[in-house]
Amino acid sequence: KAGVTQTPRYLIKTRGQQVTLSCSPISGHRSVSWYQQTPGQGLQFLFEYFSETQRNKGNFPGRFSGRQFSNSRSEMNVSTLELGDSALYLCASSSTSARQETQYFGPGTRLLVL
Amino acid sequence: GNSVTQMEGPVTLSEEAFLTINCTYTATGYPSLFWYVQYPGEGLQLLLKATKADDKGSNKGFEATYRKETTSFHLEKGSVQVSDSAVYFCALSDRDSNYQLIWGAGTKLIIKP
Repeated sequence: KAGVTQTPRYLIKTRGQQVTLSCSPISGHRSVSWYQQTPGQGLQFLFEYFSETQRNKGNFPGRFSGRQFSNSRSEMNVSTLELGDSALYLCASSSTSARQETQYFGPGTRLLVL
Repeated sequence: GNSVTQMEGPVTLSEEAFLTINCTYTATGYPSLFWYVQYPGEGLQLLLKATKADDKGSNKGFEATYRKETTSFHLEKGSVQVSDSAVYFCALSDRDSNYQLIWGAGTKLIIKP
C-alpha cells in the first residue's frame, strides 16, 4: 500500500499571498488530520476531516482552512500568509477516525514565507 | 489540560550504548501513548504505542512501558546504532483531546560511531 503523500514538498511564498497544500491518504483511510511543526511551537494540531466533514479543529486563526473530497484527499489553505506561518505542515491519515486509531504521517510540505 | 513532557536534548551517545529517553504525561483519563520518530528531512513514523496501563510497546529494538502509577512512558533501547540518530516524539491521545495527538517537544538523539 502506498503511504500518505503530500504535495508540493517545498513552497516559497511572500507575505500576504495564499497557499494550498494537498494530502492524499493511504488507500481506504477516511480520516485526515493536519499538523503544523515549527522549531518554536513544536507540533500543533490544525484540524481533522472525516468523510468530508471537519470533526475537530485546533487553536489556529480562521486564515487556516481545509476541506476533504469524496475520495478522502484533503487540502488545506492558508490565506494572507504571515512570516510566522513558515513551518513544516504534516498530514496524517487513519482508517476510520483519529479516535484511538494510529495515525500515519506523510513527509510534509515545507513552507517558507518571505 | 493534557500535556506531555520529554527530556530535553540533544542526547549524544556512542554506538552500542544503552538509551533512555524520558517521557511523562498529564491526562485526566486513560490515554493511549505513542512514540514517533522523525529522521532528518522526513515526516513522522510511528515507532511504538501502548493503549493501556502496563502495556509494553516494542519495535526495532525499542521498548516503552505504559506506567500509570508514575504517568510515564520512557523509551529504551539496549544498543543504539548510528542509524537511530533522529528526533523522537512522545505523544498521547484521549477523549479530552478529542483523540488528537498531544505532543512532547521532541528529543534529538545523536549517535556517534
